[in-house]
Amino acid sequence: AQSVTQLGSHVSVSEGALVLLRCNYSSSVPPYLFWYVQYPNQGLQLLLKYTSAATLVKGINGFEAEFKKSETSFHLTKPSAHMSDAAEYFCAVSRTGAGSYQLTFGKGTKLSVIP
Amino acid sequence: NAGVMQNPRHLVRRRGQEARLRCSPMKGHSHVYWYRQLPEEGLKFMVYLQKENIIDESGMPKERFSAEFPKEGPSILRIQQVVRGDSAAYFCASSLGQEGYNEQFFGPGTRLTVL
Repeated sequence: AQSVTQLGSHVSVSEGALVLLRCNYSSSVPPYLFWYVQYPNQGLQLLLKYTSAATLVKGINGFEAEFKKSETSFHLTKPSAHMSDAAEYFCAVSRTGAGSYQLTFGKGTKLSVIP
Repeated sequence: NAGVMQNPRHLVRRRGQEARLRCSPMKGHSHVYWYRQLPEEGLKFMVYLQKENIIDESGMPKERFSAEFPKEGPSILRIQQVVRGDSAAYFCASSLGQEGYNEQFFGPGTRLTVL
């Protein structure tokens, strides 16, 4: 069974400051890992994904995440926050192999950006 | 290329009524997934369908819930005799393939309110 833990349901940063959203996972097999962003009343949009290639993954809108197997972590970062980054962010995991289509999501982290 | 379409966007039902949620996948996608998002929670997998087949319904409640993806037309998630606990956002996603590395594209969701 897989699970995802996102530390901090709410994170506030100042505009221009570093964004760090934490995600830890548990999986009995090597996982695929994803970060999604959700704007109010909209669906989820994929920011980036890890599928066992490079451990540092670059995504859209300046976000990146690093897969650290020893720490079972996949934290999301962005060097400089922008007002438009205010949204809810979800980390998700799926197994590799059979059943890999089934995404398991964390509870989400709401990011606020202070002017 | 139109994204995943869902309708209605908002649905209000009284207890005991039926709710029918529709999802049209992205053009060329034959894999459809339904997820449910309860307040303050992440998305939970419900069911995975291909045309005319239910592949995995392990996340679907055993009673009152059903899903279909007919040869022609959208995928339908049907909830019979709704109860207040069914109030949630229901998201549909589609993908080109079922393997986990394939991006799942999400629709805007249907927000169901049961009075």
